Amino acid sequence: KAGVTQTPRYLIKTRGQQVTLSCSPISGHRSVSWYQQTPGQGLQFLFEYFSETQRNKGNFPGRFSGRQFSNSRSEMNVSTLELGDSALYLCASSSQGATEAFFGQGTRLTVV
Amino acid sequence: AQSVTQLDSQVPVFEEAPVELRCNYSSSVSVYLFWYVQYPNQGLQLLLKYLSGSTLVESINGFEAEFNKSQTSFHLRKPSVHISDTAEYFCAVVGSDKLIFGTGTRLQVFP
Repeated sequence: KAGVTQTPRYLIKTRGQQVTLSCSPISGHRSVSWYQQTPGQGLQFLFEYFSETQRNKGNFPGRFSGRQFSNSRSEMNVSTLELGDSALYLCASSSQGATEAFFGQGTRLTVV
Repeated sequence: AQSVTQLDSQVPVFEEAPVELRCNYSSSVSVYLFWYVQYPNQGLQLLLKYLSGSTLVESINGFEAEFNKSQTSFHLRKPSVHISDTAEYFCAVVGSDKLIFGTGTRLQVFP
């Protein structure tokens, strides 16, 4: 059974640009959550999607958005990038909510 | 709100020595606790979890953690560490249907 796949693994963007990250969950999992990891703030929850609906949301500005498709694949988008958005973005898939989360390898975003 | 505290940001230890990584959580009626490990440039891997039942939980690679309700702790232990255990370890709790992580403990194993 394939694990959680995040693409791309690495990204370099310029301030002001926007970026889209992708996450393919484990087959059969309908929940996808996104986390941001930075040295200063640690691991912070962005949002969770379940069956194409946002079910939970963290405390991030509206520049951070996401969506989920009918095949459970999820994308997150960050608009008007800031230097502080540089981070490792982790996706987790689950069939049973947060008690059974499997993480992908992450996408390392660098904003210059 | 649920939270976890990892008091040690770094733990240096020699190979084959025992180690304990500390984690304390804020008390609640129901507690679901986890330890995740992160190797350099990798995502998070679940090491072990406590949902209910036996307070001592074990992983396949020799780590164990004990849920202690009276001390609100979930410390991670290994009796003999290996060089390959060098990584960052995160304690987490479920709160508001999401994982809430501690700040992490970097375990550095020296030969």
